[in-house]
Amino acid sequence: EVKLVESGGGLVQPGGSLRLSCIASGFNFNTYGMNWVRQAPGKGLEWISGLSDSGDGTFYAASVKGRFIISRDNSRNTLFLQMNTLRGDDTARYYCARDSGSDIRGYFDLWGQGALIIVSS
Amino acid sequence: FVLTQSPATLSLSPGETATLSCRASQSVGNQLAWYQHKPGQAPRLLIYDASNRASGVPDRFSGSGSGTDFTLTVSSLGPEDVAVYYCLAVSFGGGTKVEMK
Repeated sequence: EVKLVESGGGLVQPGGSLRLSCIASGFNFNTYGMNWVRQAPGKGLEWISGLSDSGDGTFYAASVKGRFIISRDNSRNTLFLQMNTLRGDDTARYYCARDSGSDIRGYFDLWGQGALIIVSS
Repeated sequence: FVLTQSPATLSLSPGETATLSCRASQSVGNQLAWYQHKPGQAPRLLIYDASNRASGVPDRFSGSGSGTDFTLTVSSLGPEDVAVYYCLAVSFGGGTKVEMK
């Protein structure tokens, strides 16, 4: 079955760190660009980061640049998002999403169910 | 760069046609996608390259436009189409919520 499964969500204090993982199965993970998209409570979707198939190209939204780091381990079919200096407005459900090609085009044809992150003291 | 979607909410009767607009602050050529997002579910890609339907998407969904002005049309609206629809090019638009009367 072709799927993405996120893990690593939870409650974290402001200023803290957390790492999300997304395990891919059922397709050639190392030939697709991958992304993270989030949705804060009551808000719309926000693309926050993308990574090309080889990992050479990384892209970030201004809201997370300098605090979040996207990476991948193609040998383990896994995408990561290292989140540092977390703030209250980072509270959201975080989705892992596959791009339709090797680069980042914004055509996300496969999504995980999301991982909830709550930043609160 | 900003994508502006209108209207914010669309309330229609079953069988009607929904017309959703997405306007970009600068030209994106045809590099635009549309997504459907239902509560409790992951978003779903409907349209890519402004007018191409993604795999498995019914032909009731159609996209058009280029440059800065884009439209998603959903014909023969049914209860299964109740969702928030987003356009995406660089960033997501604010979304249009489609409701049934």
